[in-house]
Amino acid sequence: DIRMTQSPASLSASLGETVNIECLASEDIYSDLAWYQQKPGKSPQLLIYNANSLQNGVPSRFSGSGSGTQYSLKINSLQSEDVATYFCQQYNNYPFTFGSGTKLEIK
Amino acid sequence: EVQLQQSGPELRRPGSSVKLSCKASGYSITDYLMHWVKHRPEHGLEWIGWIDPEDGETKYAQKFQSKATLTADTSSNTAYMQLSSLTSEDTATYFCARPPFDYWGQGVMVTVSS
Repeated sequence: DIRMTQSPASLSASLGETVNIECLASEDIYSDLAWYQQKPGKSPQLLIYNANSLQNGVPSRFSGSGSGTQYSLKINSLQSEDVATYFCQQYNNYPFTFGSGTKLEIK
Repeated sequence: EVQLQQSGPELRRPGSSVKLSCKASGYSITDYLMHWVKHRPEHGLEWIGWIDPEDGETKYAQKFQSKATLTADTSSNTAYMQLSSLTSEDTATYFCARPPFDYWGQGVMVTVSS
């Protein structure tokens, strides 16, 4: 199985700041990577697919980048509604696997 | 509007089974695979598998091969997941999701307790 190592596990930042979340795959996943936002008691919401494609309706302050085994999610101009847990997921190989999540809080 | 409506919370005894439903609206389930995902806060998200409702083909993560059974009823536009031989490790929230994971059900909490 492909292991997705996500960091950091938690993150505290101020409103308006820029934050970065990283995911490292145990092997090349050829940009078959998605990022999700999950708020407590809710289902995950797709933010980014194919490593850098913004899902319809997602604010442009979210962006994804990376290739090979290294990927990142960037959130510009942090807003209060961005408080959530963020997950990466690879869908290059079965079984699809997720990162362990990054809990984002506002300072 | 695409929606995935899942059944309500379940409480089961260890050793029993449970069948969860995921009713799709706004599209025909035969047009897309249906994925199922397990979520435990301390373990994160785990992909269980998918079903192709058009022909019943399934694909499971090896870990869930003998735990989960995915089926679909095209007449009611509903996908199902049965979990068998329940243990405390099966206590979790289970989601159905349409690829490319842009639509998710609201999740159903399954609690396994004696």
